[in-house]
Amino acid sequence: KQEVTQIPAALSVPEGENLVLNCSFTDSAIYNLQWFRQDPGKGLTSLLLIQSSQREQTSGRLNASLDKSSGRSTLYIAASQPGDSATYLCAPWNTGNQFYFGTGTSLTVIP
Amino acid sequence: DAGITQSPRHKVTETGTPVTLRCHQTENHRYMYWYRQDPGHGLRLIHYSYGVKDTDKGEVSDGYSVSRSKTEDFLLTLESATSSQTSVYFCAISAGGSYNEQFFGPGTRLTVL
Repeated sequence: KQEVTQIPAALSVPEGENLVLNCSFTDSAIYNLQWFRQDPGKGLTSLLLIQSSQREQTSGRLNASLDKSSGRSTLYIAASQPGDSATYLCAPWNTGNQFYFGTGTSLTVIP
Repeated sequence: DAGITQSPRHKVTETGTPVTLRCHQTENHRYMYWYRQDPGHGLRLIHYSYGVKDTDKGEVSDGYSVSRSKTEDFLLTLESATSSQTSVYFCAISAGGSYNEQFFGPGTRLTVL
């Protein structure tokens, strides 16, 4: 069974700072990995999907990288804003059509 | 936003009663999923469907059943609700294939007293 770990569990940064969220997974036989954000009391919003053949994927101020062989992905957020405050989740997709989620990193951006 | 709705959005019920949650999509995606989200556990897959009448178990399927009679609807049933099934339930969809991006519904908060 895939085990997904996200470090740190919580992070607080001042506005404008660049930051990195980490995701590690135990089974490297993945098809892709998806990053989500979740606002309190809401559903998950897809941010980026990075396929196993890719090393990076970018969307605006967000950049996700994937090192499949070492079982790691990072989400880089540039020039953080208070609106970025949320919980960020990663989910690798393995065979058997199952996605496994980490418990997330709770981000607070202080104005 | 992906066209996914869940009903009801909130429900309070008593132990031992049956409960059915509904997920409806307008995207015509092949795959549909039910997850539960609990503090400290993250999101865990309950059941998923890969087509009409085609379903399979996920990580935490005990006490739950599902049905999919139409592409757009995926039902989750708790035959006899227990307090341990108090949770937030999310439905998700994906198109399949190698890309297979998942999109989530708004969630249903279920409380079993």
